[in-house]
Amino acid sequence: EAGVTQSPTHLIKTRGQQATLRCSPISGHTSVYWYQQALGLGLQFLLWYDEGEERNRGNFPPRFSGRQFPNYSSELNVNALELEDSALYLCASSLETGEGTRELFFGEGSRLTVL
Amino acid sequence: GENVEQHPSTLSVQEGDSAVIKCTYSDSASNYFPWYKQELGKRPQLIIDIRSNVGEKKDQRIAVTLNKTAKHFSLHITETQPEDSAVYFCAAPTDSWGKLQFGAGTQVVVTP
Repeated sequence: EAGVTQSPTHLIKTRGQQATLRCSPISGHTSVYWYQQALGLGLQFLLWYDEGEERNRGNFPPRFSGRQFPNYSSELNVNALELEDSALYLCASSLETGEGTRELFFGEGSRLTVL
Repeated sequence: GENVEQHPSTLSVQEGDSAVIKCTYSDSASNYFPWYKQELGKRPQLIIDIRSNVGEKKDQRIAVTLNKTAKHFSLHITETQPEDSAVYFCAAPTDSWGKLQFGAGTQVVVTP
């Protein structure tokens, strides 16, 4: 069974540009999560999508946005890129267990570099 | 508040010794506490989790304890081995079950 896949693996942009990152969850998983992992830092919660809707977002400016498609894949958009947006963007998916637990299965990440 | 605080940030142990990592959380409604391990250059992976109706859970050499009153939980690794070297993250849901907040991570180095 394929795991969570993300594309592109690496992306280089300049300040002010826009970046689009994509994520395909594990088959059957309906929830998709986005995290930012800056160098040497932890995992910062960005967005959570479930059944096509945004359920919650972290403390990031509105230029970070995304969506989830009917096939549960997801896209993260970052507008007006700033140097500090350079980071590894991790996508994760999970399956409803009905027990209040959520194992997140992470992708390999997309490395965004803003010059 | 939505903070999950984790200590220490780095931990160096000799092979065979034990390692303990501690986390505190602020959302009293949190009821699920996972721990993830991220090896260098790899994706984070769940190693153990605990629900709030349980005080301790063990899986071979790793165990997690939870003190809901004090709002803290800990990861214990016994008989550490070189392959335990990694960054470990604790996490707790805040605001809603899908908003999993992670601690800042603990770099564990196991020296032979």
